[in-house]
Amino acid sequence: AQKVTQAQTEISVVEKEDVTLDCVYETRDTTYYLFWYKQPPSGELVFLIRRNSFDEQNEISGRYSWNFQKSTSSFNFTITASQVVDSAVYFCALSSDDKIIFGKGTRLHILP
Amino acid sequence: NAGVTQTPKFQVLKTGQSMTLQCAQDMNHNSMYWYRQDPGMGLRLIYYSASEGTTDKGEVPNGYNVSRLNKREFSLRLESAAPSQTSVYFCASSVPTYSNQPQHFGDGTRLSIL
Repeated sequence: AQKVTQAQTEISVVEKEDVTLDCVYETRDTTYYLFWYKQPPSGELVFLIRRNSFDEQNEISGRYSWNFQKSTSSFNFTITASQVVDSAVYFCALSSDDKIIFGKGTRLHILP
Repeated sequence: NAGVTQTPKFQVLKTGQSMTLQCAQDMNHNSMYWYRQDPGMGLRLIYYSASEGTTDKGEVPNGYNVSRLNKREFSLRLESAAPSQTSVYFCASSVPTYSNQPQHFGDGTRLSIL
């Protein structure tokens, strides 16, 4: 069975702090893909990153970075020097075996 | 640069009424999807269509029907709306089904069943 767990339901941090959003997944497939999406208060879903199961390199894009570790089945997302505009719900998703499963999301509040 | 367009954006129905949610994409994607989003539940797949002429059930298909009218359009129908179907509905599309390519989402339809 496939599963995506985002254990942090809601996080609040003060602006400029770093914050890490956790994502743990379960799958028996050897080939799979992991995604992060952002849902700002306006409601749309915005694709942030994709990672395949054979590429464990971490990725950095500006203030965003992703740490993929197959050994712990985790694909964590870190925002450095957070800003109020980062306030949103963030979803982790797993695609494999002709299915895609989303986590329940982490609501992130960045306080000014 | 429309991407995925959903109509309507908001709708209020009475229990037992029927309704069709429309979705169209202009990216020439093969696969299209319908999700519902409920508080604390994330996104749950209702139905998907891997290609024109095919549809398959997702995680929560009961109470819904779909039609893949052509490559561009994928509609979701509630034949007899129930309060449990109050939700935000998202349509999405991608190049092939469940591949390494991300899904592109519409802006959502907020549906309330009274």
